[in-house]
Amino acid sequence: DVKVTQSSRYLVKRTGEKVFLECVQDMDHENMFWYRQDPGLGLRLIYFSYDVKMKEKGDIPEGYSVSREKKERFSLILESASTNQTSMYLCASSLATDRATYNEQFFGPGTRLTVL
Amino acid sequence: RKEVEQDPGPFNVPEGATVAFNCTYSNSASQSFFWYRQDCRKEPKLLMSVYSSGNEDGRFTAQLNRASQYISLLIRDSKLSDSATYLCGGGSQGNLIFGKGTKLSVKP
Repeated sequence: DVKVTQSSRYLVKRTGEKVFLECVQDMDHENMFWYRQDPGLGLRLIYFSYDVKMKEKGDIPEGYSVSREKKERFSLILESASTNQTSMYLCASSLATDRATYNEQFFGPGTRLTVL
Repeated sequence: RKEVEQDPGPFNVPEGATVAFNCTYSNSASQSFFWYRQDCRKEPKLLMSVYSSGNEDGRFTAQLNRASQYISLLIRDSKLSDSATYLCGGGSQGNLIFGKGTKLSVKP
């Protein structure tokens, strides 16, 4: 079974703090993704990565950055947390297109971040 | 980005009912389609991949209509445990776009 883990289930931070959200997958997946999910807005893609050291902006990258130093780990960084970044953050991973016919994404359990 | 649309519901159905969800997508280049189930305050979990020829898994049937650009999910003999939000996703090159989800509530 694919296992995607995230460093925290719940996190409370203050405005202006730098926040690190960590995601690790154990199935040798090339692709990794960070989403946020808010009521009525669905899953919105923040950043994704197809390989180590590579990153691509998603739909809402503003206020976020990412790091992929190792294949299994994808970190999301909030440089200066703001209250409008209070959300559920979900990490996902999938096989590269050339290794799979169907690129199902597998999600971690999520981190519910509250910024005060 | 191209959109994926689905009826948010809620769909309130009695146990044993058959219920169908549709999901439309605007990117004709999309190649892979999926249905996910998401329980309250949990992560989405893969329910079914949607194959071109359609596929069935027990009480669940998924269909793809490329000409009209929609995918569907049919749930037969609904159980209380089917109550959840169902997300559809479609895309290519490993990058999926998800709908906002359809909420299903199965009542006794």
